[in-house]
Amino acid sequence: NAGVTQTPKFQVLKTGQSMTLQCAQDMNHNSMYWYRQDPGMGLRLIYYSASEGTTDKGEVPNGYNVSRLNKREFSLRLESAAPSQTSVYFCASSPRVGGGGTEQYFGPGTRLTVT
Amino acid sequence: DQQVKQNSPSLSVQEGRISILNCDYTNSMFDYFLWYKKYPAEGPTFLISISSIKDKNEDGRFTVFLNKSAKHLSLHIVPSQPGDSAVYFCAVGGFGNEKLTFGTGTRLTIIP
Repeated sequence: NAGVTQTPKFQVLKTGQSMTLQCAQDMNHNSMYWYRQDPGMGLRLIYYSASEGTTDKGEVPNGYNVSRLNKREFSLRLESAAPSQTSVYFCASSPRVGGGGTEQYFGPGTRLTVT
Repeated sequence: DQQVKQNSPSLSVQEGRISILNCDYTNSMFDYFLWYKKYPAEGPTFLISISSIKDKNEDGRFTVFLNKSAKHLSLHIVPSQPGDSAVYFCAVGGFGNEKLTFGTGTRLTIIP
């Protein structure tokens, strides 16, 4: 049981390049999330998907797109990378128990540098 | 406007003593509260949670306290151990709401 996996672990991009960050979970969770972590800013939600086939914006969606490919996979795309997108990106999932609080389970992160 | 604040960026505690980490929130509609622990180069891991119908929840060395009137929660670790050195994030959410809002984190260092 791998939990939440993310690829790649590290990536360096030049300004204007595009890339897709991949995330997969094997816990049969309904909800999936993308966060970025910056120094002094905590974890900020970029996009989330409450269930297969749905996606919604979080706190900082500008410059990103997402795809919920199936129940297991949720990808994050940067169409034209900017230095401000240098960050550590975390994917998470949760079982979304109806009427109850939702703990989220995180992947190991992708460290992205845009030069 | 930060909805969740952890006002202490760092905290150092002697091994064996109690560590107390604090978190304040602004929205009284939040009713589910969590603490996460994060080691360098790893993702956050869930530590302990509490719902708004309780004011205390314990799990081994970890206890979370909730003061709803003050909109304040705290995490107590006793006794503190070197392996507790990490960044701790509080997070808040609502029942049935898939989203969590995270604080900025407190770096805890346990001094042997």
